[in-house]
Amino acid sequence: DVKVTQSSRYLVKRTGEKVFLECVQDMDHENMFWYRQDPGLGLRLIYFSYDVKMKEKGDIPEGYSVSREKKERFSLILESASTNQTSMYLCASSHMTGLSQETQYFGPGTRLLVL
Amino acid sequence: QKEVEQNSGPLSVPEGAIASLNCTYSDRGSQSFFWYRQYSGKSPELIMSIYSNGDKEDGRFTAQLNKASQYVSLLIRDSQPSDSATYLCAVNEEGGGADGLTFGKGTHLIIQP
Repeated sequence: DVKVTQSSRYLVKRTGEKVFLECVQDMDHENMFWYRQDPGLGLRLIYFSYDVKMKEKGDIPEGYSVSREKKERFSLILESASTNQTSMYLCASSHMTGLSQETQYFGPGTRLLVL
Repeated sequence: QKEVEQNSGPLSVPEGAIASLNCTYSDRGSQSFFWYRQYSGKSPELIMSIYSNGDKEDGRFTAQLNKASQYVSLLIRDSQPSDSATYLCAVNEEGGGADGLTFGKGTHLIIQP
């Protein structure tokens, strides 16, 4: 079974703090993704990576950065947390077949509260 | 802009009945289609994938695809209270690369005992 794990299930931070969210997958997937999910807004893609050290902006990258130093690990960084970044953060990974990706598998999510 | 549309609901269905969830998509180049189930406070989990026109059955679940109408649906037979969740439709563009998957916002399904 595909396993995607995230470093924390719940996190409480203060405004201005630097926040690190980590994600690890054990299926040798090429692609990894960070989403945030808010009521009524669905899944919104923050950043994704298709290879080690490669990163691409998603729909809402502002206020976030990412790092992928190893294939299995993808980190999301909030440089200076703000209250509007309070959300559920979901990591996902997928395999590529040719130029198409297969289905995405999600981690359990991190519920972040910024005070 | 690729779009995947779902009725947000809530869709209320009595226990034991058939729940029908619908999804339309805008990109005619889409080739693979996925249904995820998401319980409140949890992450999405894959329940069905479909790649060809027609029906695909897996237990109580049936996915239906009509590429000409750009329509995909999920039927849940003998609905159970444990089926109450939000169902996300996802559509993958052929050759779309790592960001080729587009999600709908989900339909909230409530199975009434």
